[in-house]
Amino acid sequence: EPEVTQTPSHQVTQMGQEVILRCVPISNHLYFYWYRQILGQKVEFLVSFYNNEISEKSEIFDDQFSVERPDGSNFTLKIRSTKLEDSAMYFCASSVTGGGGTQETQYFGPGTRLLVL
Amino acid sequence: AQSVTQPDIHITVSEGASLELRCNYSYGATPYLFWYVQSPGQGLQLLLKYFSGDTLVQGIKGFEAEFKRSQSSFNLRKPSVHWSDAAEYFCAVGAEYGGSQGNLIFGKGTKLSVKP
Repeated sequence: EPEVTQTPSHQVTQMGQEVILRCVPISNHLYFYWYRQILGQKVEFLVSFYNNEISEKSEIFDDQFSVERPDGSNFTLKIRSTKLEDSAMYFCASSVTGGGGTQETQYFGPGTRLLVL
Repeated sequence: AQSVTQPDIHITVSEGASLELRCNYSYGATPYLFWYVQSPGQGLQLLLKYFSGDTLVQGIKGFEAEFKRSQSSFNLRKPSVHWSDAAEYFCAVGAEYGGSQGNLIFGKGTKLSVKP
């Protein structure tokens, strides 16, 4: 069964450093998402992406964040200058469509646990 | 604003007992509702979803959920819990068709422990 994959599974970085989290969505999916889950808190939406541009972003997704689909398979989240509060599990998700209907279901990857020291 | 409430932070049930996890949502239009499960160290796995039609939906692993519009609820049930069901369960609501490209609003989750 196709699945969303994410690399790395864990990353430790120093405050102020740039990190890139990578995701490979399911191959026939067109919509891509990033969510994060700070330890002990709820999963929060960061950004959605379609047709090589951001569709929607939350207030969390400020200028230090960016997303990119550099090739036909990868979808990346870059944090330019990490802060302590960026420590979280970051989930990538993808869906066939972003509108309505049964194809809107988002399938999640296993996550990247980011620790900022 | 949309929101999802899972009033139970932690529930413990005995293996073989029945289970009901509560979820209430706040959404102005017809909601798309989901239950996801997260096992320790794992990602989010979709258990089931409700978009329209029959208000009782069946999912994987023997789970079901019932959408009750009058109560704004989408409670998850399982008639007989197995030790492998111990995990954290998240209820989520998605935007309606033509809305905001379907970002999900999650509840805080309910952690399920299973006693032998």
